[in-house]
Amino acid sequence: GQQVMQIPQYQHVQEGEDFTTYCNSSTTLSNIQWYKQRPGGHPVFLIQLVKSGEVKKQKRLTFQFGEAKKNSSLHITATQTTDVGTYFCAGPTNAGKSTFGDGTTLTVKP
Amino acid sequence: KAGVTQTPRYLIKTRGQQVTLSCSPISGHRSVSWYQQTPGQGLQFLFEYFSETQRNKGNFPGRFSGRQFSNSRSEMNVSTLELGDSALYLCASSLGGQGYNEQFFGPGTRLTVL
Repeated sequence: GQQVMQIPQYQHVQEGEDFTTYCNSSTTLSNIQWYKQRPGGHPVFLIQLVKSGEVKKQKRLTFQFGEAKKNSSLHITATQTTDVGTYFCAGPTNAGKSTFGDGTTLTVKP
Repeated sequence: KAGVTQTPRYLIKTRGQQVTLSCSPISGHRSVSWYQQTPGQGLQFLFEYFSETQRNKGNFPGRFSGRQFSNSRSEMNVSTLELGDSALYLCASSLGGQGYNEQFFGPGTRLTVL
């Protein structure tokens, strides 16, 4: 079945450093969604990308959707302690259900 | 607008028992999906309900079942609990389709099976 893989599984950075997580799908996706889950919290929707090659920015966060619509990335510039958490990507299968990646857990050392 | 609510928030059961979890979606949302999350694991999809019908199902045994009512509220039932069922159970609501619409997650029900 369709798989959505994320790397790395964990990332430890010093505050102020940049961070990137990558999401790869075994099949072409119609769209991709990104969620953030803070420690002890629940996933919160960040953004949805739909178009091939799409790039969207939210303050220090930059999201990209690959030209082939099989991969995506989330880049955070100059991380802050408030960025800690697990970042998930999710893409729909042909049946329309979301398949979540295993997530990348970010820790930020002040 | 009120968010997704889940009850109870915490639950302790013993092996062999059964449990029912409840989820109230955001008003106007017709799709409710259920996920299981274990420590260090991603979100494992259980099932999705839309307009009282199960529209999608994950790879979980038949001990896991659910239903949706006419007001879109949903319940999830796990029978014959096993130790491995200990997890955070999250429900998420969306307007129409979880794969194509933003999902709003509830705070989850943390189930511990002893």
